[in-house]
Amino acid sequence: SYVLTQPPSVSVAPGQTARITCGGVNIGSKTVHWYQQKPGQAPVLVVYDATDRPSGIPERFSGSNSGATATLTISGVEAGDEADYYCQVWDSDSDHQVFGGGTKVTVL
Amino acid sequence: EVLLVESGGGLVQPGRSLRLSCAASGFTFNHYAMHWVRQAPGKGLEWVSGINWNGDNVDYADSVKGRFTVSRDNAKKSLSLHMNSLKVEDTALYYCVKDSGMIPRGWFDPWGQGTLVTVSS
Repeated sequence: SYVLTQPPSVSVAPGQTARITCGGVNIGSKTVHWYQQKPGQAPVLVVYDATDRPSGIPERFSGSNSGATATLTISGVEAGDEADYYCQVWDSDSDHQVFGGGTKVTVL
Repeated sequence: EVLLVESGGGLVQPGRSLRLSCAASGFTFNHYAMHWVRQAPGKGLEWVSGINWNGDNVDYADSVKGRFTVSRDNAKKSLSLHMNSLKVEDTALYYCVKDSGMIPRGWFDPWGQGTLVTVSS
């Protein structure tokens, strides 16, 4: 089955840029989506189709996807961005949805 | 406002059954695929099952295939998950999630608040 690999944690100072990677075989050919989950809350979509933002999501959140890695970038990180972030793709071989293991972002 | 409200969770013994429900509102329910996603305590997200807009195409994670059955009632705007032969490792918060399209291959938005299933003797 298809596997998405994320770093367990990323630490960043306020105002700096956080980059969260999501690796997978030929992921550049897949459509990647990203979710933010704060403690005790349900996940929220922050980026879809690799680069698009739902309404209400700040422009500080952006995505890219090429080669073997997709990336969620949070610019000008704020304390409120501290959360777990998950990438997700649909795998055509298995016809299954797949999540990465999640990355905990800590704002120093 | 799109709203998904799950119910039916609880404490159940291993080997027993449980049925989860999800009531949808605020969107044209029969135009969208739906999913169940679960999260074990302190763990990441795991996709469980997806169903297309009219219910004639369903799929399951390998971990639940043959034990869980997903269904929908478009007239009642509801989604269900029948869980049989429950195992301790099925303990999780189960989320009802709306897909972005009619077939279950898109992104997930929004999510319900979840219903907790605890499998323990």
